[in-house]
Amino acid sequence: KAGVTQTPRYLIKTRGQQVTLSCSPISGHRSVSWYQQTPGQGLQFLFEYFSETQRNKGNFPGRFSGRQFSNSRSEMNVSTLELGDSALYLCASSEGAGFYNEQFFGPGTRLTVL
Amino acid sequence: AQKVTQAQTEISVVEKEDVTLDCVYETRDTTYYLFWYKQPPSGELVFLIRRNSFDEQNEISGRYSWNFQKSTSSFNFTITASQVVDSAVYFCALSEPPLRGNTGKLIFGQGTTLQVKP
Repeated sequence: KAGVTQTPRYLIKTRGQQVTLSCSPISGHRSVSWYQQTPGQGLQFLFEYFSETQRNKGNFPGRFSGRQFSNSRSEMNVSTLELGDSALYLCASSEGAGFYNEQFFGPGTRLTVL
Repeated sequence: AQKVTQAQTEISVVEKEDVTLDCVYETRDTTYYLFWYKQPPSGELVFLIRRNSFDEQNEISGRYSWNFQKSTSSFNFTITASQVVDSAVYFCALSEPPLRGNTGKLIFGQGTTLQVKP
């Protein structure tokens, strides 16, 4: 099976712009989680989607949003970008909805905000 | 509160040395899962192992072994006869049951950067 794919891999934006990142999970996986990774804060959970429903959200401002489509593909959107949003954004998919399921990660999208 | 601590920020060893990466966790739940992931320079987190809170048996997979001790809330990872290809950042993570809407969330430690020199 193909792994988790994320597009684009690299992105450069300026403050105030908005950005949309895409994630295609492993075929058959219905849960998609998003994480932000920065040198200072490490890996932080953004949100999780299962069957097109957001089931959990991390402690991030409302500028961060996401959605999941019927084919389990997911997008996340960041509006009004700030310098601090520069990070590696990782998407992970898992087969089931349980907390015991291992999550499989994509290569990430590296976002740079100037 | 739930938390994962990896006290070792960076470790440097010479090839063929054994190295242990420490992981200590905090949770209020009696049922939980622990994971280890490897992040090579390419950035993608690679799943290594999953362990549930009721299974304290040590596990060995090739040069990798894991020691889970519930009494000390630790889940340590040992690489035997390290190789240059083991150089990466290693993360320990905790997953708790969705009793409080806490679904799909892994709580990660800060990671340990392992450098294996030839």
